[in-house]
Amino acid sequence: NAGVTQTPKFQVLKTGQSMTLQCAQDMNHNSMYWYRQDPGMGLRLIYYSASEGTTDKGEVPNGYNVSRLNKREFSLRLESAAPSQTSVYFCASRKDNPSNQPQHFGDGTRLSIL
Amino acid sequence: EDQVTQSPEALRLQEGESSSLNCSYTVSGLRGLFWYRQDPGKGPEFLFTLYSAGEEKEKERLKATLTKKESFLHITAPKPEDSATYLCAPYGGSNYKLTFGKGTLLTVNP
Repeated sequence: NAGVTQTPKFQVLKTGQSMTLQCAQDMNHNSMYWYRQDPGMGLRLIYYSASEGTTDKGEVPNGYNVSRLNKREFSLRLESAAPSQTSVYFCASRKDNPSNQPQHFGDGTRLSIL
Repeated sequence: EDQVTQSPEALRLQEGESSSLNCSYTVSGLRGLFWYRQDPGKGPEFLFTLYSAGEEKEKERLKATLTKKESFLHITAPKPEDSATYLCAPYGGSNYKLTFGKGTLLTVNP
């Protein structure tokens, strides 16, 4: 029962470096999401994908790009990392039918940018 | 703008000491509310879905309730293993976007 798998679990970058965070789910879910979690703040949505081939901006999309590679995989890319992007990043997926299904989360990628 | 406030921010209980966590919200087009549990170093783990005012859900020592403006997570006779951060997330609109609260950090001492 893998669920949502995120790689890597930890990463340290220098300012200006680029990186792609990987997420894969094995639950055949249509919708996938990327969040960031910072101390003292709730989870904030960066981007989401309602289905393969579609992506939409969330609350805090600036500085990020995403790719929905196929139904299973949804990646998050930082093109030029900044210290303000130091955070814990969570990927989630959701089954669309029936409606009102919860999102299921991976265990996160802890990213530090120096 | 959708808003969610969870209180208290932190709660310390003795084992067996019952209490409640609060989640108040303003969400347009509310469809329901999720409660999650998050352990250190882990992602949120789904606990409950509540759809309508008056609804209640129970799981072991936890009971979640919902009114039109807030939700409560009641913890009866907690054990140390109930220690975690509890997150509430109401959702609305056609795309089921969640708005997360900052969470309540619960510590249960033996």
